[in-house]
Amino acid sequence: DTEVTQTPKHLVMGMTNKKSLKCEQHMGHRAMYWYKQKAKKPPELMFVYSYEKLSINESVPSRFSPECPNSSLLNLHLHALQPEDSALYLCASSQTPDEKLFFGSGTQLSVL
Amino acid sequence: GNSVTQMEGPVTLSEEAFLTINCTYTATGYPSLFWYVQYPGEGLQLLLKATKADDKGSNKGFEATYRKETTSFHLEKGSVQVSDSAVYFCALSDPYSSASKIIFGSGTRLSIRP
Repeated sequence: DTEVTQTPKHLVMGMTNKKSLKCEQHMGHRAMYWYKQKAKKPPELMFVYSYEKLSINESVPSRFSPECPNSSLLNLHLHALQPEDSALYLCASSQTPDEKLFFGSGTQLSVL
Repeated sequence: GNSVTQMEGPVTLSEEAFLTINCTYTATGYPSLFWYVQYPGEGLQLLLKATKADDKGSNKGFEATYRKETTSFHLEKGSVQVSDSAVYFCALSDPYSSASKIIFGSGTRLSIRP
């Protein structure tokens, strides 16, 4: 299994909603990442988990809250988002923090 | 700081044409260099990589050579196909950071006409 699986594929939410994005990999990778990608732009790193501990937070607003329940799962909890947070959210994993990244297909998020 | 500069797109070519997408980088030390490809509606996939000077990465007919003297990692393919239409991202990683922080270029959209 060489896939990173993200759910849901599409999500529409209001500014007062609470929702979660999920990411799962069964490759035994010990580093997992959240990226945000706006249309026609490169992915921007948000968070890195290394061996289930948060190692990088790229000054992301607190309305985004990551969680790594175990080595295979990564969640991104969303609360009180703004319309400008609408984007494609990509999860990635790697064997270790220095190895190549495997990306999921992303969750296309629209905030109304 | 570290950065990656790619040629602006979109690039439109006919099938079987020769492709070059330019990429230059600024980095301290000796970064690893990557090309990632993103097909419509999908996440990014690693296309090829090179970890030291003069290394050549290759995959699916694409090639790129790590040129330290010109700080470049240009992507080439001898004969493109319609299925190569996608967005291509040049990227680097700093081997001295505590966790991998891949820095992506702005991306180059490639469209191949039949």
